[in-house]
Amino acid sequence: DSGVTQTPKHLITATGQRVTLRCSPRSGDLSVYWYQQSLDQGLQFLIQYYNGEERAKGNILERFSAQQFPDLHSELNLSSLELGDSALYFCASSVTFRVGSNEQFFGPGTRLTVL
Amino acid sequence: AQKVTQAQTEISVVEKEDVTLDCVYETRDTTYYLFWYKQPPSGELVFLIRRNSFDEQNEISGRYSWNFQKSTSSFNFTITASQVVDSAVYFCALSEVETGGFKTIFGAGTRLFVKA
Repeated sequence: DSGVTQTPKHLITATGQRVTLRCSPRSGDLSVYWYQQSLDQGLQFLIQYYNGEERAKGNILERFSAQQFPDLHSELNLSSLELGDSALYFCASSVTFRVGSNEQFFGPGTRLTVL
Repeated sequence: AQKVTQAQTEISVVEKEDVTLDCVYETRDTTYYLFWYKQPPSGELVFLIRRNSFDEQNEISGRYSWNFQKSTSSFNFTITASQVVDSAVYFCALSEVETGGFKTIFGAGTRLFVKA
């Protein structure tokens, strides 16, 4: 158990809908990262937050947005969902934003299925 | 642009064989970090090792060892005396500094099958 929690574990929804994925980092970790893992795209970095501020951005679609709250939990919002958004979404956390000096601890993931 | 290539899509070995997973990276940064992660069938991502660009020392941890060579931009991972429990997908990743934070790129992964 990495100490990172993600809810829900599974989510099934329809095209055009909007969903919110939630992540609670390990106690004491200030940085949160979001990743998408799909069969065709592999593991892709989406976005990183540190203590409530966006710090780095990857291949995140405009339909997707994220935020980190004062209690350090983070939410990833996915809107106007398409079939291709079906994937496993991971959240990871680390103590600082310097991922190289601290490893990232990954949550169990949320499996999103868009029908 | 940063890139991580894991040319081996799948590897199948028999238990107790040694196996090396290759990772080649591209980066223009002088400061970067390399990682290996394991993803067993259960799906979680497990951190195995981190290496920064200034530390080319090879590392051994039990049956696992890593060979980092900046001259060839490679960070290869060897499992000695493989076991069935080593069956998983292994990802190599590269992190570069981005303004205020770090951006991580993962390779496509190598699926390792260890047969009893």
